[in-house]
Amino acid sequence: QKEVEQNSGPLSVPEGAIASLNCTYSDRGSQSFFWYRQYSGKSPELIMSIYSNGDKEDGRFTAQLNKASQYVSLLIRDSQPSDSATYLCAVNKGGTDKLIFGTGTRLQVFP
Amino acid sequence: GAVVSQHPSWVICKSGTSVKIECRSLDFQATTMFWYRQFPKQSLMLMATSNEGSKATYEQGVEKDKFLINHASLTLSTLTVTSAHPEDSSFYICSAAPGGNGGFFGPGTRLTVL
Repeated sequence: QKEVEQNSGPLSVPEGAIASLNCTYSDRGSQSFFWYRQYSGKSPELIMSIYSNGDKEDGRFTAQLNKASQYVSLLIRDSQPSDSATYLCAVNKGGTDKLIFGTGTRLQVFP
Repeated sequence: GAVVSQHPSWVICKSGTSVKIECRSLDFQATTMFWYRQFPKQSLMLMATSNEGSKATYEQGVEKDKFLINHASLTLSTLTVTSAHPEDSSFYICSAAPGGNGGFFGPGTRLTVL
């Protein structure tokens, strides 16, 4: 089992729709969870961090964490073509500051 | 968010030469920085943790004698790829964050070894 798993996609949604990105992780000691956006040829950009169970909203983005299910998700409301990118889920290795990344989900938002 | 810079942004070198990449935290001090490598269409793989004033810790499978890391100050970590070969061609990215949890990435350095 991979430490952090994501569906590689592509996930295609129409402009204005909600995009839902999912991630599962295996280390029950993980306490910090991050979503990054990476455009082709660029380095990752931090979108959201979440540390406790429940929802955390920031603008059009909502991160959801369920530690019991070892599941973290990212919702993007009112998706825009500029949101088209690869979204990386990252989880800290339990007891450390090291981040383990999933392989990323490619999102395509079409006009 | 916090600002992390890298230099150079890209480098082309001949096989057998060494290449140094710098990572700087511009608006905060970072006792810990992280170095990652990303091959095309793959995710980021953590190579090593750079610790200010002490030795770096390397992930399993990463050769510490080939990838030399120096973290001489609270704002600068360097990665030197020694005796580079074409298989070392990759996108090298560092990260750091206030408080130690490596959340912010530098813009990356694209290394091409001929």
